[in-house]
Amino acid sequence: AQSVSQHNHHVILSEAASLELGCNYSYGGTVNLFWYVQYPGQHLQLLLKYFSGDPLVKGIKGFEAEFIKSKFSFNLRKPSVQWSDTAEYFCAVTLSGGGADGLTFGKGTHLIIQP
Amino acid sequence: NAGVTQTPKFQVLKTGQSMTLQCAQDMNHNSMYWYRQDPGMGLRLIYYSASEGTTDKGEVPNGYNVSRLNKREFSLRLESAAPSQTSVYFCASSENGLVYNEQFFGPGTRLTVL
Repeated sequence: AQSVSQHNHHVILSEAASLELGCNYSYGGTVNLFWYVQYPGQHLQLLLKYFSGDPLVKGIKGFEAEFIKSKFSFNLRKPSVQWSDTAEYFCAVTLSGGGADGLTFGKGTHLIIQP
Repeated sequence: NAGVTQTPKFQVLKTGQSMTLQCAQDMNHNSMYWYRQDPGMGLRLIYYSASEGTTDKGEVPNGYNVSRLNKREFSLRLESAAPSQTSVYFCASSENGLVYNEQFFGPGTRLTVL
């Protein structure tokens, strides 16, 4: 079974700092990769996704992620964070073409942006 | 277009009580899912339904049952609630194309079992 590791459980940054959140998955086959965000008190929303093609994907709110197949990684980046980016971030994976089985999530990274 | 809706938003149960969490989607999606979210654990899949009429176990199915009532609705039942089932429960749905596995989530149900 696939698994997802998020290395940073808690990250505290100042506004305008650059952000990189690590995500590694363990599966040798073709995968679909996602980053979801959960703002305080809200449900999960999709930030970005990778299915195929250009390994650098851009999402909403200035976020981007790079898929590096050789490293089994899908790290999330943002050049300059804002206070409103304070949230929980989840990396998730599902098998490509695997039908309707669910997403496998990492344990999440709690990001706090200090004004 | 409400997306994925869940009821109730909050619930407190006593050990041994039963209840059903309701989920509905209006996106004409084929697949639906139930996850639980616990601090430091991320989201874990309880059950899923690939299409109307089918259900399958996920990672943590023990203590739960599900019903795919029709294409729109997917309910989760706790027959005899235990404190270990205190959690936030999320329902999700996806179109279920072979490639397009993006899931859309509901607002969650916060359940406390005393």
